[in-house]
Formats: sequence, structure tokens, C-alpha cells
Amino acid sequence: SAVISQKPSRDICQRGTSLTIQCQVDSQVTMMFWYRQQPGQSLTLIATANQGSEATYESGFVIDKFPISRPNLTFSTLTVSNMSPEDSSIYLCSVDQGTYSGANVLTFGAGSRLTVL
Amino acid sequence: GQQLNQSPQSMFIQEGEDVSMNCTSSSIFNTWLWYKQDPGEGPVLLIALYKAGELTSNGRLTAQFGITRKDSFLNISASIPSDVGIYFCAGPMEYGNKLVFGAGTILRVKS
Repeated sequence: SAVISQKPSRDICQRGTSLTIQCQVDSQVTMMFWYRQQPGQSLTLIATANQGSEATYESGFVIDKFPISRPNLTFSTLTVSNMSPEDSSIYLCSVDQGTYSGANVLTFGAGSRLTVL
Repeated sequence: GQQLNQSPQSMFIQEGEDVSMNCTSSSIFNTWLWYKQDPGEGPVLLIALYKAGELTSNGRLTAQFGITRKDSFLNISASIPSDVGIYFCAGPMEYGNKLVFGAGTILRVKS
């Protein structure tokens, strides 16, 4: 399966600042997904990033707050803009490993743990 | 939207005991996936189920895809300390190739 590297692994940020998280995959993939995991919570999909097109955001997430880039088939970035303490979460990059019966199996990076003061 | 109800929320068991957790939904799923998340890591796929009634094993882990397609369970036999972590069920959303996750079951093992 694909190997995913995320940077930074963790960071402490000040309120009102923005931080960009990088996701590098060791193979070319069509679809990349960004998830958020708030403290003690499950994973919630933020957006789907396809190369060459605008990211598709889930309900409750907007491009102004979470701009995403997908410049090629092995790389993506997620920016968390104008951060507040409520943005303190683990942000996870994931890629699909293929399709069987219409469902993708995802491989995840180790995550980027952000703490906003 | 689609929701997965996972239980129990947490378990604290003795090493060597068997563990059972389950996931239910009001919607039909065509695939059930079980992931484990270790502290400081991303979730890792344990078992994938693709057919109603399917029973699949991966070492000490066994998972089943419910006949109604609205539930799945995961069993862990003879638990060991490295089983500690958060276990998530997941299934594909209605639209597109995206996954929705259950709330997770936190497993703690006492040796």
C-alpha cells in the first residue's frame, strides 16, 4: 500500500494565524482525502482533492477556511486559516488504494496534531 | 446523512480475554471496513468486508458483515497489550468514493 508522509507531525499555533499541512505520497494517486479528528472524536471528512480540479468540500467546511492545493498526483496541502482553539485537532491525509464493489479502502498518514492557543 | 453507531464506546479488559464490538446503521452499506488507530498514528485497515453474511479473519481478529447489510461486528480473541487502541468501523458514503466513520471503540488491556 501507499506510504504517506505528513508534515508537520505536530505544531502549536497562535490564534488568528494560518498553518499549511503537507501530504506526500510515494505513488501516484487519483483521489486524496483530508480528514479532521477532534480530540476524543471520530474522523470527519473535510474535502476530497483531485489533481487538476477544485477540491470538493463536505457540509460544514468551506474553502476560505480550509484551502487545499493538489498540484500533482503525489502531493497535496491543506491550510487551516485564521485558526481558533476550536481548530485544535488531528488533520489526516488519506489516499484510496483501489476500488472494489464501489468502495475505496483508504490508507492514512500519521496525522498532523495542531494545538491552537 | 449516513451515520454509523458504534458500541461500546470503551472497554477495559484483562489480557487474554476476548473482545467484541459492533457497528450499526439505519442505512444499508455495501462495504464494511474495520480500522485500528494507535496513539499518535493514523488509522490502519484491519479487515474489509464486501458481501452480506461474509465472515473474515485476520489473525486473532474476526469480522462479519451482517445479513441485513446494516451492521457488522469485530471480535478479537485472546487479547494482548498491543491490542490497545481505538477501533473504528467505516463504510462508503452514498455519493462518491468517500468513507464515513463510526465514533470508535477505545480498547484498554490490563496485563
